[in-house]
Amino acid sequence: GDSVTQMEGPVTLSEEAFLTINCTYTATGYPSLFWYVQYPGEGLQLLLKATKADDKGSNKGFEATYRKETTSFHLEKGSVQVSDSAVYFCALVNDYKLSFGAGTTVTVRA
Amino acid sequence: DGGITQSPKYLFRKEGQNVTLSCEQNLNHDAMYWYRQDPGQGLRLIYYSQIVNDFQKGDIAEGYSVSREKKESFPLTVTSAQKNPTAFYLCASSVRRASYEQYFGPGTRLTVT
Repeated sequence: GDSVTQMEGPVTLSEEAFLTINCTYTATGYPSLFWYVQYPGEGLQLLLKATKADDKGSNKGFEATYRKETTSFHLEKGSVQVSDSAVYFCALVNDYKLSFGAGTTVTVRA
Repeated sequence: DGGITQSPKYLFRKEGQNVTLSCEQNLNHDAMYWYRQDPGQGLRLIYYSQIVNDFQKGDIAEGYSVSREKKESFPLTVTSAQKNPTAFYLCASSVRRASYEQYFGPGTRLTVT
């Protein structure tokens, strides 16, 4: 079945550092890919998405490119802020089913 | 404001009791979902509903039940048959089942002792 694997955390960074969270997937067909963010004590919010190969999703300074050849959708941000501290989930939709990675906890220190 | 509400935010129950978690949405979405989140794991789908009076089991439906009598509401009952009920439960909705984007509620943390 479909699956998503993302780098284990926790990840701790200083403010203005570069953030990368790796995400790879296994799926049949042509899934759509997503990054969700969960702030402490809250539900998930869609951060960005890409629906076909080579698409780049971007939002709030975060970017991720759908790489079909490497089955990857790595999340990047050039300069993180304390407010970016959260849990980040990579996910895919295939045949209407949403599958999540385990989540990566990111803590940004001032 | 449109959105999804879940209540209560924290819920405590004794083992052997059934408990019902509330989920309401005013987004006029057809599809609704229940997920369970455990530490160090992603979300796992419990049940979903594409339309009123219809619902399907997800990956971990055992020990849970749902109803969908109104478009706006999708309550989840955690029964005494659920072996490990302590978890964070998230409700979500989407325009329709085929929609890519799901909107999530704030979650209910259930603790069973």
